[in-house]
Amino acid sequence: GQQLNQSPQSMFIQEGEDVSMNCTSSSIFNTWLWYKQDPGEGPVLLIALYKAGELTSNGRLTAQFGITRKDSFLNISASIPSDVGIYFCAGQLRGSSNTGKLIFGQGTTLQVKP
Amino acid sequence: DSGVTQTPKHLITATGQRVTLRCSPRSGDLSVYWYQQSLDQGLQFLIQYYNGEERAKGNILERFSAQQFPDLHSELNLSSLELGDSALYFCASSVLRGSDEQFFGPGTRLTVL
Repeated sequence: GQQLNQSPQSMFIQEGEDVSMNCTSSSIFNTWLWYKQDPGEGPVLLIALYKAGELTSNGRLTAQFGITRKDSFLNISASIPSDVGIYFCAGQLRGSSNTGKLIFGQGTTLQVKP
Repeated sequence: DSGVTQTPKHLITATGQRVTLRCSPRSGDLSVYWYQQSLDQGLQFLIQYYNGEERAKGNILERFSAQQFPDLHSELNLSSLELGDSALYFCASSVLRGSDEQFFGPGTRLTVL
């Protein structure tokens, strides 16, 4: 099936550092979404991107929809301990806009050392 | 709190059994989606319902079925359970049938022994 390649798989950083993670695919996406999942909880929507080249911020989080529509990145600035969790990218393929089917990346596990 | 509720939170059952997972979408949302999350497969889309009708199907096994009722709540039925069906099952909802902003419930953890 379709895949999103998300990297890195895991990160262990110091509090206050900036973080960057990305997702790539060989397919074109209409939409990119970034979710965060805490242990035992469901994914929480962080940022949604709808246009190629779009750059969107949500507090310390910034995400971009790649120009080729095949990739996206998420940056977290000045990380804090509560940023710990698993971050997922998700996308909607071109041609599937009549449904809500999302394809998810494998996730990036973030650990922050105080 | 996303506004999406799922019951039960945990479910432990034996192989060969049948279970039903329940989801109530956010108020006003017409679309319900079911996802399976396992360690080896990640988050996989199973099925979508919009206003009572099936809208899209993903990698859903024939042993699994779902429906959405007139009050918009949804149920996912899993039958002839196998060990490999052990996973987290999430429900998500959105306003529109093609809406990408899906809001996830807390999930049901299914353990098949």
